[in-house]
Amino acid sequence: DIQMTQSPSSVSASVGDRVTITCRASQGISNSLAWYQQKPGKAPKLLIYTASTLQSGVPSRFSGSGSGTDFTLTISSLQPEDFATYFCQQGYSLGTFGGGTKVEI
Amino acid sequence: QITLKESGPSLVKPRQTLTLTCTLSGFSLNTRGVGVGWIRQPPGKALEWLGLIYWDDDKRYNPSLKSRLTITKDTSKNQVVLSLNNMAPEDAATYYCAHRFLGGPNYFDYWGQGTLVIVSS
Repeated sequence: DIQMTQSPSSVSASVGDRVTITCRASQGISNSLAWYQQKPGKAPKLLIYTASTLQSGVPSRFSGSGSGTDFTLTISSLQPEDFATYFCQQGYSLGTFGGGTKVEI
Repeated sequence: QITLKESGPSLVKPRQTLTLTCTLSGFSLNTRGVGVGWIRQPPGKALEWLGLIYWDDDKRYNPSLKSRLTITKDTSKNQVVLSLNNMAPEDAATYYCAHRFLGGPNYFDYWGQGTLVIVSS
């Protein structure tokens, strides 16, 4: 089984900050990685797929990078609506999710 | 417009079988490439990928649940059914069904609202 490890588990930030979240796979997954945003009481929302492709309608302040085992999600200038929990998911073999990163004030 | 909606019991007893139905709208499981997955999330915890069923009835399961989990489809009703037997307190979670994103392997671009399942006698 492929394990996905996210860090940090939480981050405190302010509006306008640059935030970076890391996701590491236990084995190489090429670029088969997605990022989701989840707000309390809501279903996750797909932000990025194949590591760096922005889903339609997602603001350009979100970006993803990486390949192999190490991946990052970057929010270039944090907006009030971005305070949420973010999950990575590998799609290389089935679909393991990471443990999540809560972005809070 | 693609929508999915989960339905089923909110409370099950230990050792019982959980059966949840996902009703699909705006797409068909008869269409090549389409898939529907199940994901769960214990309160305050991470997402767990449970399984996926494809238009051709191929299925993929999380190995940790494979012996207890069955996913089936009823294309005439446009529904997908999850069955998880021998329920235990650690199976308590919000269960989501989701539409497999056609631009990637096992990602999900449309999700149901989720249904909370409690396991208690």
